[in-house]
Amino acid sequence: KAGVTQTPRYLIKTRGQQVTLSCSPISGHRSVSWYQQTPGQGLQFLFEYFSETQRNKGNFPGRFSGRQFSNSRSEMNVSTLELGDSALYLCASSLEAGMGADTQYFGPGTRLTVL
Amino acid sequence: AQSVTQPDIHITVSEGASLELRCNYSYGATPYLFWYVQSPGQGLQLLLKYFSGDTLVQGIKGFEAEFKRSQSSFNLRKPSVHWSDAAEYFCAVVPSGGYQKVTFGTGTKLQVIP
Repeated sequence: KAGVTQTPRYLIKTRGQQVTLSCSPISGHRSVSWYQQTPGQGLQFLFEYFSETQRNKGNFPGRFSGRQFSNSRSEMNVSTLELGDSALYLCASSLEAGMGADTQYFGPGTRLTVL
Repeated sequence: AQSVTQPDIHITVSEGASLELRCNYSYGATPYLFWYVQSPGQGLQLLLKYFSGDTLVQGIKGFEAEFKRSQSSFNLRKPSVHWSDAAEYFCAVVPSGGYQKVTFGTGTKLQVIP
Protein backbone atom coordinates (compact mmCIF):
# COMPACT_ATOMS: atom_id res chain seq x y z
CA LYS A 1 0.00 0.00 0.00
CA ALA A 2 1.41 3.40 -0.92
CA GLY A 3 2.26 5.71 1.95
CA VAL A 4 1.31 9.32 2.48
CA THR A 5 2.54 11.48 -0.36
CA GLN A 6 3.12 15.19 -0.28
CA THR A 7 3.73 17.51 -3.18
CA PRO A 8 5.80 19.39 -3.87
CA ARG A 9 8.72 18.25 -1.72
CA TYR A 10 10.49 21.59 -1.93
CA LEU A 11 9.18 25.07 -2.56
CA ILE A 12 10.72 28.52 -2.62
CA LYS A 13 8.49 31.58 -2.41
CA THR A 14 8.91 35.27 -1.65
CA ARG A 15 7.23 37.30 1.06
CA GLY A 16 3.68 38.27 0.30
CA GLN A 17 3.04 35.38 -2.06
CA GLN A 18 0.67 32.53 -1.33
CA VAL A 19 1.33 28.82 -1.51
CA THR A 20 -0.71 25.62 -1.72
CA LEU A 21 0.60 22.29 -0.49
CA SER A 22 -0.98 18.96 -1.29
CA CYS A 23 -1.30 15.72 0.66
CA SER A 24 -2.60 12.36 -0.52
CA PRO A 25 -3.39 10.05 2.38
CA ILE A 26 -3.01 6.31 2.49
CA SER A 27 -5.82 4.64 0.60
CA GLY A 28 -8.81 4.18 2.88
CA HIS A 29 -7.71 6.78 5.41
CA ARG A 30 -10.27 9.49 6.03
CA SER A 31 -8.46 11.75 8.49
CA VAL A 32 -5.69 14.11 7.45
CA SER A 33 -3.73 16.32 9.82
CA TRP A 34 -1.19 19.03 9.08
CA TYR A 35 1.82 20.07 11.16
CA GLN A 36 4.43 22.78 10.93
CA GLN A 37 7.99 21.97 12.00
CA THR A 38 10.57 24.71 12.59
CA PRO A 39 13.85 24.75 14.53
CA GLY A 40 12.52 27.47 16.84
CA GLN A 41 8.96 26.30 17.54
CA GLY A 42 9.34 22.59 16.94
CA LEU A 43 6.37 20.56 15.79
CA GLN A 44 3.05 22.35 15.95
CA PHE A 45 -0.40 21.11 15.03
CA LEU A 46 -2.11 23.14 12.32
CA PHE A 47 -5.46 21.44 11.68
CA GLU A 48 -7.20 18.15 11.09
CA TYR A 49 -9.77 17.22 8.48
CA PHE A 50 -12.15 14.31 8.48
CA SER A 51 -14.76 13.66 5.80
CA GLU A 52 -14.17 17.11 4.27
CA THR A 53 -14.77 18.87 7.61
CA GLN A 54 -12.22 20.62 9.76
CA ARG A 55 -12.43 18.83 13.06
CA ASN A 56 -9.68 20.53 15.01
CA LYS A 57 -7.48 23.57 14.64
CA GLY A 58 -4.22 24.72 16.18
CA ASN A 59 -3.21 28.22 17.16
CA PHE A 60 -2.25 29.65 13.81
CA PRO A 61 -3.42 32.86 12.15
CA GLY A 62 -6.15 32.87 9.54
CA ARG A 63 -3.53 33.03 6.78
CA PHE A 64 -3.25 29.30 7.23
CA SER A 65 -6.18 27.39 5.83
CA GLY A 66 -6.94 23.97 4.49
CA ARG A 67 -9.52 21.79 2.91
CA GLN A 68 -10.22 18.17 2.21
CA PHE A 69 -11.78 16.69 -0.87
CA SER A 70 -14.22 13.83 -1.20
CA ASN A 71 -11.36 11.43 -2.02
CA SER A 72 -9.71 12.45 1.30
CA ARG A 73 -6.87 14.30 -0.41
CA SER A 74 -6.10 17.51 1.40
CA GLU A 75 -4.55 20.85 0.60
CA MET A 76 -3.29 23.55 2.85
CA ASN A 77 -2.87 27.14 1.81
CA VAL A 78 -0.79 29.90 3.30
CA SER A 79 -1.52 33.41 2.10
CA THR A 80 0.64 36.53 2.41
CA LEU A 81 3.74 34.55 3.23
CA GLU A 82 6.10 35.77 5.93
CA LEU A 83 9.72 34.83 6.51
CA GLY A 84 8.66 32.95 9.63
CA ASP A 85 6.53 30.60 7.56
CA SER A 86 9.66 28.87 6.34
CA ALA A 87 9.29 25.38 7.70
CA LEU A 88 8.80 21.72 7.00
CA TYR A 89 5.09 21.06 6.61
CA LEU A 90 4.08 17.55 7.48
CA CYS A 91 0.88 15.78 6.63
CA ALA A 92 -0.37 12.70 8.44
CA SER A 93 -3.27 10.39 7.74
CA SER A 94 -5.21 7.94 9.83
CA LEU A 95 -8.16 5.66 9.33
CA GLU A 96 -10.78 7.38 11.40
CA ALA A 97 -10.28 9.47 14.48
CA GLY A 98 -7.36 11.79 14.94
CA MET A 99 -4.26 11.30 16.97
CA GLY A 100 -6.15 10.47 20.11
CA ALA A 101 -7.33 7.04 19.14
CA ASP A 102 -5.72 6.07 15.87
CA THR A 103 -2.20 5.65 14.54
CA GLN A 104 -1.10 8.46 12.29
CA TYR A 105 1.16 7.85 9.30
CA PHE A 106 3.30 10.77 8.25
CA GLY A 107 4.41 11.86 4.81
CA PRO A 108 7.97 13.07 4.10
CA GLY A 109 6.92 16.71 4.26
CA THR A 110 7.15 19.77 2.06
CA ARG A 111 10.09 22.07 2.76
CA LEU A 112 8.92 25.66 2.25
CA THR A 113 11.47 28.45 2.09
CA VAL A 114 10.25 32.05 2.12
CA LEU A 115 12.72 34.66 0.87
CA ALA B 1 -0.92 25.13 30.88
CA GLN B 2 -0.46 21.71 29.34
CA SER B 3 3.11 20.96 28.32
CA VAL B 4 5.53 18.26 27.25
CA THR B 5 9.20 18.40 28.19
CA GLN B 6 12.09 16.52 26.70
CA PRO B 7 14.96 17.77 28.84
CA ASP B 8 17.76 16.37 26.67
CA ILE B 9 18.27 18.21 23.40
CA HIS B 10 21.13 16.01 22.29
CA ILE B 11 22.38 12.60 23.49
CA THR B 12 25.40 10.63 22.34
CA VAL B 13 25.71 6.92 23.04
CA SER B 14 28.06 4.21 21.89
CA GLU B 15 26.74 1.48 19.64
CA GLY B 16 25.62 -1.44 21.79
CA ALA B 17 25.04 0.71 24.85
CA SER B 18 21.64 1.15 26.46
CA LEU B 19 19.52 4.22 25.85
CA GLU B 20 16.93 6.15 27.81
CA LEU B 21 15.22 9.26 26.48
CA ARG B 22 13.19 11.29 28.93
CA CYS B 23 9.73 12.74 28.51
CA ASN B 24 7.69 14.54 31.15
CA TYR B 25 4.23 15.98 30.72
CA SER B 26 1.96 18.30 32.57
CA TYR B 27 -1.72 17.52 32.14
CA GLY B 28 -4.72 17.33 34.42
CA ALA B 29 -5.49 13.70 33.69
CA THR B 30 -3.57 10.83 32.13
CA PRO B 31 -3.26 11.65 28.45
CA TYR B 32 -2.50 9.47 25.47
CA LEU B 33 1.28 9.25 25.07
CA PHE B 34 3.38 8.62 21.98
CA TRP B 35 6.98 8.35 20.87
CA TYR B 36 7.94 9.14 17.29
CA VAL B 37 11.25 8.96 15.44
CA GLN B 38 12.32 11.22 12.59
CA SER B 39 15.27 10.44 10.36
CA PRO B 40 16.86 13.30 8.39
CA GLY B 41 14.66 14.41 5.52
CA GLN B 42 11.85 12.09 6.57
CA GLY B 43 8.49 12.35 8.21
CA LEU B 44 7.72 10.92 11.62
CA GLN B 45 7.34 7.24 12.34
CA LEU B 46 5.39 5.98 15.34
CA LEU B 47 7.53 3.87 17.68
CA LEU B 48 4.91 3.14 20.33
CA LYS B 49 1.90 4.55 22.14
CA TYR B 50 0.20 4.31 25.52
CA PHE B 51 -3.52 4.68 26.01
CA SER B 52 -4.20 2.66 29.17
CA GLY B 53 -3.43 -0.66 30.82
CA ASP B 54 0.03 -2.13 31.17
CA THR B 55 2.42 0.70 31.91
CA LEU B 56 5.29 -0.92 30.03
CA VAL B 57 4.71 -0.59 26.31
CA GLN B 58 6.61 -2.43 23.61
CA GLY B 59 7.19 -0.79 20.28
CA ILE B 60 8.92 -1.34 17.00
CA LYS B 61 12.68 -1.56 16.43
CA GLY B 62 13.26 -2.95 19.93
CA PHE B 63 12.07 0.16 21.78
CA GLU B 64 9.95 0.20 24.90
CA ALA B 65 8.56 2.92 27.13
CA GLU B 66 7.30 3.00 30.67
CA PHE B 67 4.48 5.22 31.86
CA LYS B 68 4.93 6.40 35.44
CA ARG B 69 1.88 8.29 36.65
CA SER B 70 3.52 9.44 39.89
CA GLN B 71 6.34 11.09 37.95
CA SER B 72 4.25 12.20 34.94
CA SER B 73 6.86 10.56 32.77
CA PHE B 74 6.94 8.36 29.69
CA ASN B 75 10.60 7.52 29.10
CA LEU B 76 11.76 5.65 26.02
CA ARG B 77 14.33 2.88 26.37
CA LYS B 78 16.34 0.51 24.25
CA PRO B 79 18.74 -2.06 25.73
CA SER B 80 21.27 -2.00 22.88
CA VAL B 81 21.51 0.86 20.40
CA HIS B 82 22.35 0.33 16.75
CA TRP B 83 23.98 2.89 14.48
CA SER B 84 20.74 3.06 12.49
CA ASP B 85 18.95 4.42 15.57
CA ALA B 86 20.63 7.80 15.07
CA ALA B 87 17.71 10.17 14.52
CA GLU B 88 15.54 12.67 16.35
CA TYR B 89 12.97 11.39 18.80
CA PHE B 90 9.77 13.15 19.74
CA CYS B 91 7.45 12.56 22.62
CA ALA B 92 3.84 13.58 21.97
CA VAL B 93 0.81 13.94 24.20
CA VAL B 94 -2.90 14.14 23.48
CA PRO B 95 -5.51 14.75 26.20
CA SER B 96 -7.71 11.69 26.50
CA GLY B 97 -11.30 11.83 25.36
CA GLY B 98 -12.75 13.30 22.22
CA TYR B 99 -10.83 14.87 19.38
CA GLN B 100 -8.01 16.68 21.09
CA LYS B 101 -5.00 18.57 19.83
CA VAL B 102 -1.57 17.01 20.02
CA THR B 103 1.42 18.63 21.72
CA PHE B 104 4.91 17.53 20.77
CA GLY B 105 8.03 17.78 22.85
CA THR B 106 10.99 19.67 21.44
CA GLY B 107 12.76 16.49 20.46
CA THR B 108 16.00 14.71 21.40
CA LYS B 109 18.68 14.19 18.78
CA LEU B 110 20.45 10.89 19.20
CA GLN B 111 23.98 10.42 17.95
CA VAL B 112 25.44 6.90 17.92
CA ILE B 113 29.21 6.49 17.89
CA PRO B 114 31.00 3.29 16.91
